[in-house]
Amino acid sequence: AQSVTQLDSHVSVSEGTPVLLRCNYSSSYSPSLFWYVQHPNKGLQLLLKYTSAATLVKGINGFEAEFKKSETSFHLTKPSAHMSDAAEYFCVVSDPDTGRRALTFGSGTRLQVQP
Amino acid sequence: NAGVTQTPKFRILKIGQSMTLQCTQDMNHNYMYWYRQDPGMGLKLIYYSVGAGITDKGEVPNGYNVSRSTTEDFPLRLELAAPSQTSVYFCASSYLGTSGATNTGELFFGEGSRLTVL
Repeated sequence: AQSVTQLDSHVSVSEGTPVLLRCNYSSSYSPSLFWYVQHPNKGLQLLLKYTSAATLVKGINGFEAEFKKSETSFHLTKPSAHMSDAAEYFCVVSDPDTGRRALTFGSGTRLQVQP
Repeated sequence: NAGVTQTPKFRILKIGQSMTLQCTQDMNHNYMYWYRQDPGMGLKLIYYSVGAGITDKGEVPNGYNVSRSTTEDFPLRLELAAPSQTSVYFCASSYLGTSGATNTGELFFGEGSRLTVL
């Protein structure tokens, strides 16, 4: 069975400082991994995805994530936070080889950006 | 490009009432999903469909029903509303091919339907 754990429910940074949102996963197969962002009262939007190609994945708005199989991690980073980055972020794992082919969501990390 | 459209955006129900949340997508995606999101929680899968005429239960299907008569539409039915069904509901769609190499699992989401049961 697949699962995903977001290690921080809330992260607060100052504008212009680095962002680190942590995610660990568990999967029986070679998973696909995603980060989604949700702004208040909006649907979820895909930030980036890992699908067994390059382990360092670049996404939109300057975010990137590194797939580390030995650590079963897929942490999201950004060198310099912007006020517009304040949102809820979800780490998501997919096992395409399972019959269900659905996604498993982490519980989310709320990113707060201080001026 | 409309993408995934959900209606209504907001609804208040009384206990025991019924309603249908509508979802339609114009991307010709074969997979469609219904998730619910409770405060401080991730999304939980209610039902999903791999194509017209085929539906299956997710993690939390009790109290809900779905149908998939066309590729575009995937309505979610609440038959006897209960306070525990107060939540934000998201419809999503994706295209998954038969080959593992094409299965990226990327979902496209609607903007959500906020349901309150009193």
